[in-house]
Amino acid sequence: DTGVSQNPRHKITKRGQNVTFRCDPISEHNRLYWYRQTLGQGPEFLTYFQNEAQLEKSRLLSDRFSAERPKGSFSTLEIQRTEQGDSAMYLCASSTRDRGLETAHKAEAFFGQGTRLTVV
Amino acid sequence: DAKTTQPNSMESNEEEPVHLPCNHSTISGTDYIHWYRQLPSQGPEYVIHGLTSNVNNRMASLAIAEDRKSSTLILHRATLRDAAVYYCILRARAGGTSYGKLTFGQGTILTVHP
Repeated sequence: DTGVSQNPRHKITKRGQNVTFRCDPISEHNRLYWYRQTLGQGPEFLTYFQNEAQLEKSRLLSDRFSAERPKGSFSTLEIQRTEQGDSAMYLCASSTRDRGLETAHKAEAFFGQGTRLTVV
Repeated sequence: DAKTTQPNSMESNEEEPVHLPCNHSTISGTDYIHWYRQLPSQGPEYVIHGLTSNVNNRMASLAIAEDRKSSTLILHRATLRDAAVYYCILRARAGGTSYGKLTFGQGTILTVHP
């Protein structure tokens, strides 16, 4: 078990291009979260998956953002038509093997090291 | 999620104890108090969490006020590796639209001097 893995670690893209990030959670963790963090701020929640189902989306997740978690394993976050304001660290976290909702708020979340996106 | 208030920054000397305060006056009865820290260029890292009773683990101790409106993260002997941003987070019980997400504030930047 090597922890949460995110790829790539860094991405520089031109405005208007599409980018896709990948997150491999800890094996058998059924909960997966995406967050975005800009400089000097705490991470902001973007979206949540329980297994393959996307159950919650922040209003920060505009129409240009889409996330998937096929088969309930790895997840991808795609940003279409990138804008300079999308420049940030994108963090993925996974949590628990417990399938019950009742314990979600108690469980430790494990974060990856993030993908730093720079839109030029 | 209920809001937390933390000092923007704190300083400590190496090998001295550090007490990081957090106010959460609007906490609800089922909210858990979580602490995470973020080292430079790293993702956040879980430190400790609790509900009502004080908690200890290998990293730190969590002291929770009797009325639960405040808590204190205690690092018993600060090291240079403890220099990080520390986040106090109230995590709501799953249900409705929560699903256990973490709502981060600005956190406390801890500086540890050699």
